[in-house]
Amino acid sequence: GDSVTQTEGQVALSEEDFLTIHCNYSASGYPALFWYVQYPGEGPQFLFRASRDKEKGSSRGFEATYDKGTTSFHLRKASVQESDSAVYYCALGATQVVGQLTFGRGTRLQVYA
Amino acid sequence: DTTVKQNPRYKLARVGKPVNLICSQTMNHDTMYWYQKKPNQAPKLLLFYYDKILNREADTFEKFQSSRPNNSFCSLYIGSAGLEYSAMYLCASSPWDRGREQYFGPGTRLTVL
Repeated sequence: GDSVTQTEGQVALSEEDFLTIHCNYSASGYPALFWYVQYPGEGPQFLFRASRDKEKGSSRGFEATYDKGTTSFHLRKASVQESDSAVYYCALGATQVVGQLTFGRGTRLQVYA
Repeated sequence: DTTVKQNPRYKLARVGKPVNLICSQTMNHDTMYWYQKKPNQAPKLLLFYYDKILNREADTFEKFQSSRPNNSFCSLYIGSAGLEYSAMYLCASSPWDRGREQYFGPGTRLTVL
């Protein structure tokens, strides 16, 4: 079945550091890829998506590029802030069933001032 | 208003007792979802309603029930709680044509003792 692997369980950075959170996927067909962010005390929020190879999704300074060759969708931000501290989830949407998302286990980002 | 509400936020249940969790949304979304989230695991889709049609995942088919009395409300019911049901339960909603861009509630943390 479909799966999403997030390599890092936790990431600790200082403000203005560069962020990379790795996401790799396994799926049949051509899935859509997503990033969600969850702040403390809240549910996950949609961040952005990409639907085809080489497409870049972006929002709030975060970005990721769909790479079908390496089956990856790594999240990057050039300069993190303390307010970016949250849990980040990579997810894929199966082509066969609208609405179903398969999530990765999440990466907790802690940014120190 | 893009809020999804969940009640209660915290629930303590005894082994063998029933549990009923409530979710509501005022965005007139036709699809509502329930996920289970355990520590260090990915959110796992349990079931979803498209309008009045319930779709349950095969591996949790017999463990969870749900009802949707109207478009705004959806419940998750556990007939006899076991220790393995202790988890965060996340409710989400979306319009069907944008099913992967889901709006999540803050979750209900269920502890079974």
